Amino acid sequence: EVQLLESGGDLVQPGGSLRLSCAASGFTFSSFAMTWVRQAPGKGLEWISVICANNDNTYYADSVRGRFTISRENSKNTLYLQMNSLRAEDTAVYYCAKLRGASCYSDIDYWGQGTLVTVSS
Amino acid sequence: DIVMTQSPDSLAVSLGERATIDCKSSQSVSYSSNNKNYLAWYQQKPGQPPKVLIYWASTRESGVPDRFSGSGSGTDFTLTISSLQAEDVAVYYCQQYYNIPFSFGPGTKVDIK
Repeated sequence: EVQLLESGGDLVQPGGSLRLSCAASGFTFSSFAMTWVRQAPGKGLEWISVICANNDNTYYADSVRGRFTISRENSKNTLYLQMNSLRAEDTAVYYCAKLRGASCYSDIDYWGQGTLVTVSS
Repeated sequence: DIVMTQSPDSLAVSLGERATIDCKSSQSVSYSSNNKNYLAWYQQKPGQPPKVLIYWASTRESGVPDRFSGSGSGTDFTLTISSLQAEDVAVYYCQQYYNIPFSFGPGTKVDIK
Protein backbone atom coordinates (compact mmCIF):
# COMPACT_ATOMS: atom_id res chain seq x y z
CA GLU A 1 0.00 0.00 0.00
CA VAL A 2 1.38 3.38 -1.01
CA GLN A 3 1.78 5.74 1.93
CA LEU A 4 3.03 9.31 1.97
CA LEU A 5 3.54 10.93 5.35
CA GLU A 6 4.36 14.63 5.46
CA SER A 7 5.93 16.33 8.45
CA GLY A 8 7.54 19.63 9.33
CA GLY A 9 4.59 21.98 9.05
CA ASP A 10 4.57 24.69 11.69
CA LEU A 11 3.87 28.32 12.55
CA VAL A 12 6.73 30.48 11.28
CA GLN A 13 7.32 34.22 11.11
CA PRO A 14 7.49 36.06 7.79
CA GLY A 15 10.99 35.79 6.37
CA GLY A 16 11.60 32.53 8.17
CA SER A 17 12.47 29.07 6.88
CA LEU A 18 11.00 25.62 7.17
CA ARG A 19 11.80 22.20 5.76
CA LEU A 20 9.03 19.79 4.96
CA SER A 21 9.65 16.06 4.70
CA CYS A 22 7.60 13.33 3.10
CA ALA A 23 8.31 9.73 4.03
CA ALA A 24 7.24 7.35 1.29
CA SER A 25 6.53 3.64 1.47
CA GLY A 26 4.78 0.91 -0.49
CA PHE A 27 6.48 1.59 -3.81
CA THR A 28 9.94 1.91 -5.36
CA PHE A 29 10.49 5.55 -4.44
CA SER A 30 13.46 6.12 -6.75
CA SER A 31 11.42 5.11 -9.81
CA PHE A 32 8.73 7.78 -9.59
CA ALA A 33 8.57 11.54 -9.96
CA MET A 34 7.34 13.37 -6.89
CA THR A 35 5.64 16.69 -6.43
CA TRP A 36 4.42 19.24 -3.88
CA VAL A 37 0.98 20.84 -4.18
CA ARG A 38 -0.43 23.35 -1.74
CA GLN A 39 -3.88 24.53 -0.77
CA ALA A 40 -4.47 27.81 1.04
CA PRO A 41 -7.33 27.75 3.56
CA GLY A 42 -10.64 27.54 1.72
CA LYS A 43 -8.95 27.81 -1.67
CA GLY A 44 -8.10 25.58 -4.60
CA LEU A 45 -5.05 23.50 -5.42
CA GLU A 46 -1.78 25.12 -6.46
CA TRP A 47 1.05 23.11 -8.00
CA ILE A 48 4.38 24.37 -6.68
CA SER A 49 7.21 21.97 -7.54
CA VAL A 50 8.16 18.64 -9.10
CA ILE A 51 11.24 16.43 -9.21
CA CYS A 52 11.55 13.85 -11.95
CA ALA A 53 12.83 10.36 -11.34
CA ASN A 54 14.30 9.72 -14.77
CA ASN A 55 16.74 12.65 -14.68
CA ASP A 56 16.29 14.32 -11.27
CA ASN A 57 15.33 17.56 -12.99
CA THR A 58 13.42 19.99 -10.81
CA TYR A 59 10.82 22.60 -11.70
CA TYR A 60 8.99 25.32 -9.78
CA ALA A 61 5.98 27.59 -9.95
CA ASP A 62 6.85 31.26 -10.37
CA SER A 63 5.37 31.95 -6.94
CA VAL A 64 8.09 29.93 -5.17
CA ARG A 65 11.02 29.83 -7.58
CA GLY A 66 14.19 31.07 -5.90
CA ARG A 67 12.73 30.59 -2.42
CA PHE A 68 11.77 26.91 -2.33
CA THR A 69 13.93 23.88 -3.15
CA ILE A 70 12.64 20.39 -3.80
CA SER A 71 14.93 17.43 -3.29
CA ARG A 72 14.81 13.70 -2.74
CA GLU A 73 16.89 11.19 -0.82
CA ASN A 74 16.22 7.86 -2.46
CA SER A 75 18.20 5.92 0.14
CA LYS A 76 15.74 7.16 2.77
CA ASN A 77 12.60 7.11 0.57
CA THR A 78 12.08 10.74 1.48
CA LEU A 79 11.06 13.86 -0.39
CA TYR A 80 11.88 17.32 0.92
CA LEU A 81 10.78 20.89 0.41
CA GLN A 82 13.10 23.56 1.78
CA MET A 83 11.16 26.79 2.12
CA ASN A 84 13.00 30.08 2.67
CA SER A 85 11.92 33.71 2.82
CA LEU A 86 8.41 32.65 3.75
CA ARG A 87 5.54 35.04 3.20
CA ALA A 88 2.01 35.23 4.57
CA GLU A 89 0.70 34.05 1.20
CA ASP A 90 2.63 30.78 1.62
CA THR A 91 0.18 29.80 4.37
CA ALA A 92 -1.39 26.55 3.21
CA VAL A 93 -1.68 22.83 3.59
CA TYR A 94 1.23 21.31 1.71
CA TYR A 95 0.62 17.96 0.05
CA CYS A 96 3.34 15.56 -0.98
CA ALA A 97 2.24 13.51 -3.95
CA LYS A 98 3.52 10.69 -6.14
CA LEU A 99 3.33 10.89 -9.89
CA ARG A 100 2.27 7.93 -11.95
CA GLY A 101 5.56 7.64 -13.82
CA ALA A 102 9.25 8.45 -13.70
CA SER A 103 8.68 11.36 -16.02
CA CYS A 104 7.54 14.65 -14.56
CA TYR A 105 4.82 14.72 -17.21
CA SER A 106 2.49 12.40 -15.34
CA ASP A 107 -0.65 12.78 -13.32
CA ILE A 108 -0.74 12.37 -9.54
CA ASP A 109 -1.88 8.93 -8.44
CA TYR A 110 -1.29 9.20 -4.68
CA TRP A 111 -1.46 12.07 -2.22
CA GLY A 112 -0.35 12.44 1.37
CA GLN A 113 -2.65 13.81 4.05
CA GLY A 114 -0.89 17.17 4.05
CA THR A 115 0.95 19.31 6.57
CA LEU A 116 -0.09 22.83 7.57
CA VAL A 117 2.32 25.72 7.20
CA THR A 118 1.24 28.99 8.77
CA VAL A 119 3.27 32.13 8.14
CA SER A 120 2.34 34.84 10.62
CA SER A 121 3.91 37.19 13.12
CA ASP B 1 1.62 29.25 -18.83
CA ILE B 2 -1.52 27.21 -19.41
CA VAL B 3 -4.59 28.55 -17.63
CA MET B 4 -7.31 26.08 -16.71
CA THR B 5 -10.92 27.17 -16.31
CA GLN B 6 -13.90 25.17 -15.11
CA SER B 7 -17.64 25.61 -15.37
CA PRO B 8 -19.83 25.84 -13.52
CA ASP B 9 -18.31 27.01 -10.24
CA SER B 10 -20.87 24.87 -8.43
CA LEU B 11 -23.87 22.72 -9.21
CA ALA B 12 -26.57 20.89 -7.32
CA VAL B 13 -27.96 17.71 -8.80
CA SER B 14 -30.66 15.34 -7.59
CA LEU B 15 -29.61 11.87 -6.50
CA GLY B 16 -29.45 9.57 -9.49
CA GLU B 17 -29.26 12.41 -11.97
CA ARG B 18 -26.35 13.32 -14.25
CA ALA B 19 -23.71 15.89 -13.32
CA THR B 20 -21.46 17.44 -15.95
CA ILE B 21 -18.38 19.58 -15.36
CA ASP B 22 -16.48 21.33 -18.13
CA CYS B 23 -12.80 22.17 -18.15
CA LYS B 24 -10.99 24.33 -20.70
CA SER B 25 -7.28 24.90 -21.17
CA SER B 26 -5.86 28.09 -22.63
CA GLN B 27 -3.84 26.02 -25.10
CA SER B 28 -3.96 22.45 -26.30
CA VAL B 29 -2.80 19.78 -23.85
CA SER B 30 -2.78 17.11 -26.53
CA TYR B 31 0.56 15.68 -27.63
CA SER B 32 0.36 14.62 -31.27
CA SER B 33 3.24 12.14 -31.15
CA ASN B 34 1.43 9.84 -28.73
CA ASN B 35 -2.14 11.06 -29.23
CA LYS B 36 -2.56 11.58 -25.51
CA ASN B 37 -4.31 14.39 -23.69
CA TYR B 38 -2.37 15.39 -20.57
CA LEU B 39 -5.44 16.07 -18.47
CA ALA B 40 -6.53 14.58 -15.14
CA TRP B 41 -9.58 14.94 -12.92
CA TYR B 42 -9.42 14.83 -9.11
CA GLN B 43 -12.10 14.62 -6.45
CA GLN B 44 -11.59 16.27 -3.06
CA LYS B 45 -13.97 15.64 -0.20
CA PRO B 46 -13.98 17.96 2.85
CA GLY B 47 -10.98 17.42 5.11
CA GLN B 48 -9.35 14.95 2.73
CA PRO B 49 -6.58 15.14 0.15
CA PRO B 50 -7.57 14.94 -3.51
CA LYS B 51 -7.99 11.60 -5.22
CA VAL B 52 -7.46 10.90 -8.90
CA LEU B 53 -10.53 9.84 -10.86
CA ILE B 54 -9.47 10.14 -14.50
CA TYR B 55 -6.14 10.54 -16.27
CA TRP B 56 -5.15 10.89 -19.93
CA ALA B 57 -8.53 12.71 -20.13
CA SER B 58 -10.56 9.52 -20.29
CA THR B 59 -8.79 6.66 -18.47
CA ARG B 60 -10.60 5.79 -15.26
CA GLU B 61 -8.38 5.10 -12.26
CA SER B 62 -8.59 1.57 -10.88
CA GLY B 63 -11.33 1.32 -8.26
CA VAL B 64 -13.20 4.40 -9.41
CA PRO B 65 -16.89 3.67 -10.03
CA ASP B 66 -17.87 3.53 -13.69
CA ARG B 67 -20.43 6.29 -13.20
CA PHE B 68 -17.43 8.63 -13.53
CA SER B 69 -16.24 9.25 -17.07
CA GLY B 70 -13.99 11.73 -18.81
CA SER B 71 -14.06 12.95 -22.37
CA GLY B 72 -12.65 15.63 -24.61
CA SER B 73 -9.50 16.51 -26.48
CA GLY B 74 -7.25 19.45 -27.22
CA THR B 75 -8.58 22.29 -25.06
CA ASP B 76 -12.06 21.15 -24.06
CA PHE B 77 -12.78 18.41 -21.56
CA THR B 78 -15.73 17.10 -19.58
CA LEU B 79 -16.18 15.05 -16.43
CA THR B 80 -19.53 13.29 -16.22
CA ILE B 81 -21.08 11.62 -13.21
CA SER B 82 -23.83 9.57 -14.81
CA SER B 83 -25.90 8.95 -11.69
CA LEU B 84 -25.01 11.13 -8.73
CA GLN B 85 -24.64 9.38 -5.38
CA ALA B 86 -24.52 10.98 -1.94
CA GLU B 87 -20.84 10.08 -1.59
CA ASP B 88 -20.00 12.10 -4.71
CA VAL B 89 -20.48 15.41 -2.88
CA ALA B 90 -17.06 17.00 -3.30
CA VAL B 91 -15.02 19.57 -5.18
CA TYR B 92 -13.72 18.41 -8.54
CA TYR B 93 -10.55 19.76 -10.14
CA CYS B 94 -9.06 19.31 -13.57
CA GLN B 95 -5.29 19.51 -14.03
CA GLN B 96 -3.02 19.74 -17.04
CA TYR B 97 0.35 17.98 -16.90
CA TYR B 98 1.32 18.83 -20.48
CA ASN B 99 3.38 21.90 -19.71
CA ILE B 100 5.30 23.10 -16.69
CA PRO B 101 4.11 24.88 -14.62
CA PHE B 102 1.41 22.30 -14.20
CA SER B 103 -1.89 23.92 -13.37
CA PHE B 104 -5.24 23.09 -11.81
CA GLY B 105 -8.63 24.45 -12.59
CA PRO B 106 -10.34 26.51 -9.84
CA GLY B 107 -12.62 23.62 -8.88
CA THR B 108 -16.31 22.82 -9.18
CA LYS B 109 -18.34 22.10 -6.08
CA VAL B 110 -20.96 19.39 -6.48
CA ASP B 111 -23.86 19.15 -4.04
CA ILE B 112 -27.14 17.28 -3.76
CA LYS B 113 -30.27 19.14 -4.77
